Amino acid sequence: NAGVMQNPRHLVRRRGQEARLRCSPMKGHSHVYWYRQLPEEGLKFMVYLQKENIIDESGMPKERFSAEFPKEGPSILRIQQVVRGDSAAYFCASSPLSGLDREDTQYFGPGTRLTVL
Amino acid sequence: KNQVEQSPQSLIILEGKNCTLQCNYTVSPFSNLRWYKQDTGRGPVSLTIMTFSENTKSNGRYTATLDADTKQSSLHITASQLSDSASYICVVSRASGGSYIPTFGRGTSLIVHP
Repeated sequence: NAGVMQNPRHLVRRRGQEARLRCSPMKGHSHVYWYRQLPEEGLKFMVYLQKENIIDESGMPKERFSAEFPKEGPSILRIQQVVRGDSAAYFCASSPLSGLDREDTQYFGPGTRLTVL
Repeated sequence: KNQVEQSPQSLIILEGKNCTLQCNYTVSPFSNLRWYKQDTGRGPVSLTIMTFSENTKSNGRYTATLDADTKQSSLHITASQLSDSASYICVVSRASGGSYIPTFGRGTSLIVHP
């Protein structure tokens, strides 16, 4: 059973370009979480999605950021018109249980390191 | 404000020694507390998870404790190995609108020397 997969592992963009980060959850997992980790900082929750639904996006910046988890295919985190402050590691996690479950364990991918020049 | 504070920020120990990492939190309403291990350049891996009613949880050489009254947790590592060198992250989840939202500490960077 392959783990959570993220691609690309490294992404370089110039200011103003768009960044698209992909996350394929573990087989059988229908819950996906996105986190951002700035240098020397802890992970920050961004968004929680189930198939075709955004459940909680309280950690997502209101502008330029969007996320989706379509019925088929990976979850996508999209950052439009990137700025230097968007440079960070973006981690995706998936879980087999609902976020309503106290015992829910999330399995993390290796992350995508975004560098904005 | 929901916060998770960890100490020490970094720790260096010799192989075979024990160590204890601390976590204080102000997250409310409390749902559960997890400890994760994050190797450099990789995603975090769950070590333990504790809910409100649990005081201690073990996973091999890792033992986590929780005091919900003082809002403190510790992670004790016994007989450390070189492979224990990593960042250890305390994560406290709160109930929010039907789901559980995690707040991450900044982690304690542990280095185990031979």
